[in-house]
Amino acid sequence: NAGVTQTPKFRILKIGQSMTLQCAQDMNHNYMYWYRQDPGMGLKLIYYSVGAGITDKGEVPNGYNVSRSTTEDFPLRLELAAPSQTSVYFCASSNLGGSYEQYFGPGTRLTVT
Amino acid sequence: RKEVEQDPGPFNVPEGATVAFNCTYSNSASQSFFWYRQDCRKEPKLLMSVYSSGNEDGRFTAQLNRASQYISLLIRDSKLSDSATYLCGTGATNKLIFGTGTLLAVQP
Repeated sequence: NAGVTQTPKFRILKIGQSMTLQCAQDMNHNYMYWYRQDPGMGLKLIYYSVGAGITDKGEVPNGYNVSRSTTEDFPLRLELAAPSQTSVYFCASSNLGGSYEQYFGPGTRLTVT
Repeated sequence: RKEVEQDPGPFNVPEGATVAFNCTYSNSASQSFFWYRQDCRKEPKLLMSVYSSGNEDGRFTAQLNRASQYISLLIRDSKLSDSATYLCGTGATNKLIFGTGTLLAVQP
């Protein structure tokens, strides 16, 4: 099993550009999450999904959108990128939700200049 | 007040030392508790879950105090390879909330 995979690993965007961060998991997990981690900071929840077709906002959703059309994939869309969105983005999945272990992908390092 | 708070450190300790981290949480409805380890420029990985009765895994001991709303992690006989950031997480319903992490640097 590949677990949780994320693409791309690195990306540099200009202000105002858009992009989609891809996340996929092959563990048949219902719950998936997107976090951002700024230098020296913890993980902040952006969006999460409890199953295909169901998404909900986390702590810091502004400037982002998500969709969940399949169990496997949970892409994160950045519209009109801003320097404040420079961060490391981690996708995670869980079998049964908040009471259980989350498995993280390797992360995407995004710089907006 | 942050929902989950940790001392960011860094904790600089010599090899062989015992070191303890605490993490406080504000949501009394939290149902699950975890310690994650994050190496530099890597993703977090589960170190151990924390149970009400406390639990031990080799040199690592985790404890939960629901009355005071904190969890702790004790590392005995520290190794150089223990150097990392340790994140605590608390779960309720559908999601985990993480602290900012505590940086541990074990010195030779």
